[in-house]
Amino acid sequence: NAGVMQNPRHLVRRRGQEARLRCSPMKGHSHVYWYRQLPEEGLKFMVYLQKENIIDESGMPKERFSAEFPKEGPSILRIQQVVRGDSAAYFCASSPASTNEKLFFGSGTQLSVL
Amino acid sequence: DAKTTQPTSMDCAEGRAANLPCNHSTISGNEYVYWYRQIHSQGPQYIIHGLKNNETNEMASLIITEDRKSSTLILPHATLRDTAVYYCIVGGRSQGNLIFGKGTKLSVKP
Repeated sequence: NAGVMQNPRHLVRRRGQEARLRCSPMKGHSHVYWYRQLPEEGLKFMVYLQKENIIDESGMPKERFSAEFPKEGPSILRIQQVVRGDSAAYFCASSPASTNEKLFFGSGTQLSVL
Repeated sequence: DAKTTQPTSMDCAEGRAANLPCNHSTISGNEYVYWYRQIHSQGPQYIIHGLKNNETNEMASLIITEDRKSSTLILPHATLRDTAVYYCIVGGRSQGNLIFGKGTKLSVKP
């Protein structure tokens, strides 16, 4: 009964490159949430997706960031032309329905931009 | 900005109860109180939530004051593995966009 799987666990990119972060939700979960955590800060909500739909992207930066959750396969958070300020831990959570209760979080992807 | 206020850090002796306070004086009638914790370098873990009644589960108890302006998370017998940052969050039932503040760093000491 695997939990939320995120990969890679660590990702190093140079400025200007693209970063792709993957999240496979728990089995049976069709709701995915992405959060970002800067060093010594709390988590910040970025985007909420259901299968093939973006429900709430109010926390997503307007440029360079995009997210998808296709019908088949994992959810992808994509950051184009990364800058040093993008260095952070990115966490994905999933739930079986739209809820704040019992969000199940993955172990995160630590993005380092050189 | 977070709608809650928590102490920055707390210590607790192993085996004793850990009582973590949280103020949420601007909570509205349909908002819940959620508690999550984050052990170093891991993703947050759900602990418990409540609306106005006290709640208990296998991990913790949640005591909410009658006016709902504050609450206390109780870990009845803290262990070293309970050392973590504990987040008190106020939000609606079905948003998914939790607002995490800076939380309370609980250190359980032997």
